[in-house]
Amino acid sequence: AAGVIQSPRHLIKEKRETATLKCYPIPRHDTVYWYQQGPGQDPQFLISFYEKMQSDKGSIPDRFSAQQFSDYHSELNMSSLELGDSALYFCASSASRWGQNPQETQYFGPGTRLLVL
Amino acid sequence: RKEVEQDPGPFNVPEGATVAFNCTYSNSASQSFFWYRQDCRKEPKLLMSVYSSGNEDGRFTAQLNRASQYISLLIRDSKLSDSATYLCVVNMNTDKLIFGTGTRLQVFP
Repeated sequence: AAGVIQSPRHLIKEKRETATLKCYPIPRHDTVYWYQQGPGQDPQFLISFYEKMQSDKGSIPDRFSAQQFSDYHSELNMSSLELGDSALYFCASSASRWGQNPQETQYFGPGTRLLVL
Repeated sequence: RKEVEQDPGPFNVPEGATVAFNCTYSNSASQSFFWYRQDCRKEPKLLMSVYSSGNEDGRFTAQLNRASQYISLLIRDSKLSDSATYLCVVNMNTDKLIFGTGTRLQVFP
């Protein structure tokens, strides 16, 4: 079965550079979620999109922005990178908006490992 | 104080053992509860949802006590492949999943 695809899988950037992470949800999933997991930490919710509109926002820095496109893929844009942005970034998708159907599973992609030097 | 608290472990158990993990959550408005499993440097994967009546899936049993705001996971007949971090996850009918910091399990031969 098709899973969530994320690219790139690994990314190395320098401080103050920008990065773009991409997420391709499972086919027919219309809701996408972004999470950040720092070393030894639990995943923290950043932002979500439903039908190409932002649906919920968590602890996403102002330096970050995201959007969902007409084909439902999503991109997380990160600017003025800081050392503390080094983390695993997971994208998840679900077939309906989580809040509307709490038992709908969020399926996670393999993540993008970002290292900021 | 974290919204979802777990004993970080590690729990080191021999193959075949029964092991139990506990989790507490602070917000009584929490509506949905899950256990996810995460292998080192991999993505979280749903293990099972947790229902008020308790539920079982093979060797895994989950229980929810809303009054005490407490969730448990029992693993029977542990396998080497069960070695992972087990994440207690809570949702309050929003898009956001709230994760505990996880309990690490190591099953040894």
